[in-house]
Amino acid sequence: KAGVTQTPRYLIKTRGQQVTLSCSPISGHRSVSWYQQTPGQGLQFLFEYFSETQRNKGNFPGRFSGRQFSNSRSEMNVSTLELGDSALYLCASSRRGGRDTEAFFGQGTRLTVV
Amino acid sequence: AQSVSQHNHHVILSEAASLELGCNYSYGGTVNLFWYVQYPGQHLQLLLKYFSGDPLVKGIKGFEAEFIKSKFSFNLRKPSVQWSDTAEYFCAVILSGYSTLTFGKGTMLLVSP
Repeated sequence: KAGVTQTPRYLIKTRGQQVTLSCSPISGHRSVSWYQQTPGQGLQFLFEYFSETQRNKGNFPGRFSGRQFSNSRSEMNVSTLELGDSALYLCASSRRGGRDTEAFFGQGTRLTVV
Repeated sequence: AQSVSQHNHHVILSEAASLELGCNYSYGGTVNLFWYVQYPGQHLQLLLKYFSGDPLVKGIKGFEAEFIKSKFSFNLRKPSVQWSDTAEYFCAVILSGYSTLTFGKGTMLLVSP
């Protein structure tokens, strides 16, 4: 059974540019969540999608957005990149999200903004 | 706002030493609790989880954790660590009514051979 796949694994972008990251969940999983991981702040929740609808959103500016497609694949987009957006972006999938389900994580996309 | 605290940012142990990593959360309602591990260069993996029932849960690789509701704690333990346990460990909770994980800041464990 394939795990959570994130592409690309590494990205280097310039300040002001925008970027799109992709996440393919485990087959049968309908919930996809995104997290930002930095050395100073740890893992912070960005947003969660379930059945193509955003179900929860973390405390990030509107430059961060996402979407989910009918096959449960998800993308997140960051516009007008800032140096502080440099981080490891992790995607997690679960069958339906919620309290009693287990989340599986991808290897992440490491974004460097220069 | 809910939060998860991990008491130690860095822990250094010798092989065969016992391990206990502290985790406390600030929420009075029902929670599910998790410990994840991130080995160098690898993705986050679930070590163990508590949903309900026996508060002493056993996970993979000889790890266990005890949920103490009165102390809002979920400490991770291992009787004898190995060099291969070198990794970063994250405690996380899901709160009742929510569907997202709130993580602690992580504890970096270095086991010297």
